[in-house]
Amino acid sequence: GENVEQHPSTLSVQEGDSAVIKCTYSDSASNYFPWYKQELGKRPQLIIDIRSNVGEKKDQRIAVTLNKTAKHFSLHITETQPEDSAVYFCAASRGQAAGNKLTFGGGTRVLVKP
Amino acid sequence: DGGITQSPKYLFRKEGQNVTLSCEQNLNHDAMYWYRQDPGQGLRLIYYSQIVNDFQKGDIAEGYSVSREKKESFPLTVTSAQKNPTAFYLCASRTGQGSNHPQHFGDGTRLSIL
Repeated sequence: GENVEQHPSTLSVQEGDSAVIKCTYSDSASNYFPWYKQELGKRPQLIIDIRSNVGEKKDQRIAVTLNKTAKHFSLHITETQPEDSAVYFCAASRGQAAGNKLTFGGGTRVLVKP
Repeated sequence: DGGITQSPKYLFRKEGQNVTLSCEQNLNHDAMYWYRQDPGQGLRLIYYSQIVNDFQKGDIAEGYSVSREKKESFPLTVTSAQKNPTAFYLCASRTGQGSNHPQHFGDGTRLSIL
């Protein structure tokens, strides 16, 4: 089955700096890659997603890039703010052929220092 | 994601007891999912259902059971066979059976052993 690895497990950045989280996946048939943000004790919330026919997607301060050949995708947060502090999860899916199941990475705890 | 309701918020299980976690959605979503989250870890899929009266095992189904008698409801039973049930349980749903619609999560149920 699919395996998703996420790095780093923790990331500390100064407010205003950029943060980058990287994920690799094993199943070349995966075609959908969402990113979720989870605050302590809360539900994961979708922040951005990308499909395999797109190499990059941006939404304000957040961007995701996908390299299908290398089977990795990354989350970029620019101009970080204290409210960006949370745990971020990447995930991968093979789509309808596999029940649209998501396989999650282990998470990255991001701390933005004021 | 106010349309996905999980209850109770906190649940305690005694030795040898089965407990049932509720997940209800009013979003008219076809597919529903149950995940388990252990402290400091990612989400792992327990069971999922793409349509009423049908469900499939995920990666860690042992010790759990589900039913999908109504489109809006997908209860999860943690049986006495699950020897380490302490975790945060998250229910998710998504629209349509086409690929690559995002999953949205409920607020979760935190289960502990008495």
